Amino acid sequence: QVQLQESGPGLVKPSETLSLTCTVSGDSISTYYWSWIRQPPGKGLEWIGYIYYSGNTNCNPSLKSRVTMSVDTSKKQFSLKLTSVTAADTAVYYCARAGPGGGTINWFDPWGQGTLVTVSS
Amino acid sequence: QSALTQPRSVSGSPGQSVTISCTGTSSDVGGYNYVSWYQKHPGKAPKLMIYNVSKRPSGVPDRFSGSKSGNTASLTISGLQAEDEADYYCCSYAGSYTWVFGGGTELTVL
Repeated sequence: QVQLQESGPGLVKPSETLSLTCTVSGDSISTYYWSWIRQPPGKGLEWIGYIYYSGNTNCNPSLKSRVTMSVDTSKKQFSLKLTSVTAADTAVYYCARAGPGGGTINWFDPWGQGTLVTVSS
Repeated sequence: QSALTQPRSVSGSPGQSVTISCTGTSSDVGGYNYVSWYQKHPGKAPKLMIYNVSKRPSGVPDRFSGSKSGNTASLTISGLQAEDEADYYCCSYAGSYTWVFGGGTELTVL
């Protein structure tokens, strides 16, 4: 079955760029949309954005100016970059498949295990 | 785009039913039938429990059901079991190809 795995640094300094990659296994990256979602400590989930294999993206208006997403279909990976990070960006970052496909997103499933990124000097 | 409003916590005894509400606006919950619910155990990845307001993915017990009235969606868990103790999050399409989550509800099985 499809599995997703996030990877990237667990510690990022303030004002620097957070970079994460999600590797997809067990499914074609070209069928679905793929999304990033985060959860700050003790808080709820926040949708960050999605990317399609074609490179089409959209993201949360509150993060739009700082977010860049990309996809590498040959490696079955998609990536997130978040610039000018602050302590408020400390969170567990999840990648998730966004389905059901065919140009629509009705759900996020499955999710990766998540990776904690701490912003601190 | 504001987070959807969920109660911080709910509780119930084994065998009972509980309902978790998720209140948004006419721009998200009330405007579309794209509400989904996720179960999250500590240290685990969220799991899809309900999508399109009331549809259950394969493998999710029929004890879990979803509904919507106006700007409020609800998740009902009947026949509560110990393993249902978890955090639950709602999510809704919010227009312009964006999505918004709720703040989460902690379910305690007494």
